[in-house]
Amino acid sequence: AQKVTQAQTEISVVEKEDVTLDCVYETRDTTYYLFWYKQPPSGELVFLIRRNSFDEQNEISGRYSWNFQKSTSSFNFTITASQVVDSAVYFCALSEDQAGTALIFGKGTTLSVSS
Amino acid sequence: DSGVTQTPKHLITATGQRVTLRCSPRSGDLSVYWYQQSLDQGLQFLIQYYNGEERAKGNILERFSAQQFPDLHSELNLSSLELGDSALYFCASSAGTGPGNEQFFGPGTRLTVL
Repeated sequence: AQKVTQAQTEISVVEKEDVTLDCVYETRDTTYYLFWYKQPPSGELVFLIRRNSFDEQNEISGRYSWNFQKSTSSFNFTITASQVVDSAVYFCALSEDQAGTALIFGKGTTLSVSS
Repeated sequence: DSGVTQTPKHLITATGQRVTLRCSPRSGDLSVYWYQQSLDQGLQFLIQYYNGEERAKGNILERFSAQQFPDLHSELNLSSLELGDSALYFCASSAGTGPGNEQFFGPGTRLTVL
């Protein structure tokens, strides 16, 4: 059965520190998609990135980077030089080809960045 | 702003009552999804509609129902409400129906059942 595990419930860092949020997934599909969403204190869910199972290239977008490793079923998210505005709950999600388009979310990691 | 709108923003009601949550997808998107976010269950997929037809069902209770109208807006109906139904209900939309489609989420409707 498909499953997404975000083992880190809460992380606290000081501004300018780098932080990595872990995501481990389980799937039997060979075609699947992985996502990261951000939920700031205001409550909306903001899309950050989508990755398909055939593309293991790491991606960098500004201070954000993602490391996808099929060998360890992980899709980790790193924020470089964190800022207070990065404080939010971050969700990793999985969507499988065989299971339709529903997103299976992890429990989320709450990131608190203090100044 | 994702382009997905949800009304109302907040809803407070009593046990046993029925409520309707409304969602308008982004312009051009044919798929609408409903998710429930609660403290104990996290974010859970409820149901998906594509161009008016039910496409996929998740952990949706029998007391809950949804539909998508010809103008593509969708409504989620929750009846015989219980305290445990208190949650944040999100609507999302996407252009297509494949698993790789990026889903854009609305701001959510916070339901409180007293």
